Amino acid sequence: NAGVTQTPKFQVLKTGQSMTLQCAQDMNHNSMYWYRQDPGMGLRLIYYSASEGTTDKGEVPNGYNVSRLNKREFSLRLESAAPSQTSVYFCASSWGDRDTDTQYFGPGTRLTVL
Amino acid sequence: GENVEQHPSTLSVQEGDSAVIKCTYSDSASNYFPWYKQELGKRPQLIIDIRSNVGEKKDQRIAVTLNKTAKHFSLHITETQPEDSAVYFCAASRGDSSYKLIFGSGTRLLVRP
Repeated sequence: NAGVTQTPKFQVLKTGQSMTLQCAQDMNHNSMYWYRQDPGMGLRLIYYSASEGTTDKGEVPNGYNVSRLNKREFSLRLESAAPSQTSVYFCASSWGDRDTDTQYFGPGTRLTVL
Repeated sequence: GENVEQHPSTLSVQEGDSAVIKCTYSDSASNYFPWYKQELGKRPQLIIDIRSNVGEKKDQRIAVTLNKTAKHFSLHITETQPEDSAVYFCAASRGDSSYKLIFGSGTRLLVRP
């Protein structure tokens, strides 16, 4: 039982390049999330997927797109990377139930955009 | 919009002392309040949570209290140990759905041996 996994762990991009961050969970959770973490700003929600087949914007969605490929996988795409997107990205998952909605985080992807 | 304020941003205590971190939230419909611990270079991990129908919850050396009227909640760590050193984040659920969280900006706790 690996929990939430993310690839890659580190990535360096040049401005304008594109890339996809991958996330998978093996806990049969319904809901999945993408956050970014910047120094002194906590965790900010980029996009989330309440259930398979649905996605919605969070607090900071500009410059990103997501795909809920199936119940297990939720990817985050940067179409044209900018230096402001340098951050640590965390994927998380939860049951999506009002009574048992603890979020479990992946190990993170450290992204640098030059 | 909804937000969660967390204080202090840094906290240094002597080993064995207690540490208290406080958070306030703005959405009166929030009903779930987790606390996460994040060690350097690691993922955030849930250490304790509380729901709006409970005023206090304890788990060994960790406790959380909730005051819904004042819209604030606190994390209490007693008998601190060096391994408690980490960044702690509070969070509150959005009133429209308890599975979306708003995070505080974090408290860096340093426990001096």
